[in-house]
Amino acid sequence: DTEVTQTPKHLVMGMTNKKSLKCEQHMGHRAMYWYKQKAKKPPELMFVYSYEKLSINESVPSRFSPECPNSSLLNLHLHALQPEDSALYLCASSQGHPQGRQPQHFGDGTRLSIL
Amino acid sequence: ELKVEQNPLFLSMQEGKNYTIYCNYSTTSDRLYWYRQDPGKSLESLFVLLSNGAVKQEGRLMASLDTKARLSTLHITAAVHDLSATYFCAPWGLETSGSRLTFGEGTQLTVNP
Repeated sequence: DTEVTQTPKHLVMGMTNKKSLKCEQHMGHRAMYWYKQKAKKPPELMFVYSYEKLSINESVPSRFSPECPNSSLLNLHLHALQPEDSALYLCASSQGHPQGRQPQHFGDGTRLSIL
Repeated sequence: ELKVEQNPLFLSMQEGKNYTIYCNYSTTSDRLYWYRQDPGKSLESLFVLLSNGAVKQEGRLMASLDTKARLSTLHITAAVHDLSATYFCAPWGLETSGSRLTFGEGTQLTVNP
């Protein structure tokens, strides 16, 4: 069990659908992250929120739209995705961001398949 | 841009043997993390190394950091089957868009009876 909870665990969607991935943590962490991980590859950073503000967007296509409603919640809104977007999407949190002195805690991920 | 190189990428070893995984990185960083990932699972934090010369040990695993050489090692002592997993090193570095972890390609470890 992890302290970062992601829902849903699996998601299959068509290229014209709109869906959202959700992430929740109750560890009092002030930094939250979205990563994308393809099979047999390392996680790739997509977005970083620090104190509920977007601090890093790694040139992610606009069909991915992050949202941080409060310090415990992180969403990733999906629209008009492409088959190559099929991957494991991992959420992580840490106590703070810029200093990088605390480990990131990862959720179990959402396995996304685009038809 | 911070580049991270792990080797070996694949490691098959027998139970009871020792081995070392190496992680080289390209630019200055004094903070490095090791993570473990089981197939189909999430990443588990193993070690946090925050200074030059840092050494951490947990069970059969020991990690070290040499910031001058830009090198971290993960040493496995008397391997057991339960250690089979993929291990990622991830130095913390400053990129154009901000500070972040950059993950190595991962070392897929298989421990055979």
